[in-house]
Amino acid sequence: GAGVSQSPRYKVAKRGQDVALRCDPISGHVSLFWYQQALGQGPEFLTYFQNEAQLDKSGLPSDRFFAERPEGSVSTLKIQRTQQEDSAVYLCASSLVNPSGGAYEQYFGPGTRLTVT
Amino acid sequence: GDSVTQMEGPVTLSEEAFLTINCTYTATGYPSLFWYVQYPGEGLQLLLKATKADDKGSNKGFEATYRKETTSFHLEKGSVQVSDSAVYFCALSLNTGNQFYFGTGTSLTVIP
Repeated sequence: GAGVSQSPRYKVAKRGQDVALRCDPISGHVSLFWYQQALGQGPEFLTYFQNEAQLDKSGLPSDRFFAERPEGSVSTLKIQRTQQEDSAVYLCASSLVNPSGGAYEQYFGPGTRLTVT
Repeated sequence: GDSVTQMEGPVTLSEEAFLTINCTYTATGYPSLFWYVQYPGEGLQLLLKATKADDKGSNKGFEATYRKETTSFHLEKGSVQVSDSAVYFCALSLNTGNQFYFGTGTSLTVIP
């Protein structure tokens, strides 16, 4: 079946521009996560949705970062007034919710590589 | 806090060599542990997982055993192939709906 898709795959923005990154999770996956992956590093958590509710946004690095999932499926990560330090790969992942509480594997999209010039 | 420490790379091996990539973790509870693999130009894919102590995850000839006493989840493969060349990430998660904590990744290159 279809996996997690992200668009665009590559984005070049001039410093100060706003960008919007889209994620289409696997159909039926309640949980959706955004991660930021700097070059040569592991992904770092940004924010988490369960359906349309944003339950954890503790990883968002500043108030320039904003995420939404209004209908509980597609999600958008928006970065306002981009800075050079925002250059990274932004990964989206989705998963089911385990009714007994244990962690389920997350399925990752291919990522959006953002370059801020 | 919760974290994963992973063996630094890069690692270069000859085909059919034995592979070990070390991973240790720190967690406030009882996490589930995962290995993800990222092939060149592709996204992260789940390689294997273990959800409780002494569980062994296995897939494609790779194995890792959840060792609570040493807080480790080392990845092993008895005979690597060129097609195993990729970056490997160890990760943990405490509960459903919780973020994954990833290691920094270990780059493996297998030469013929």
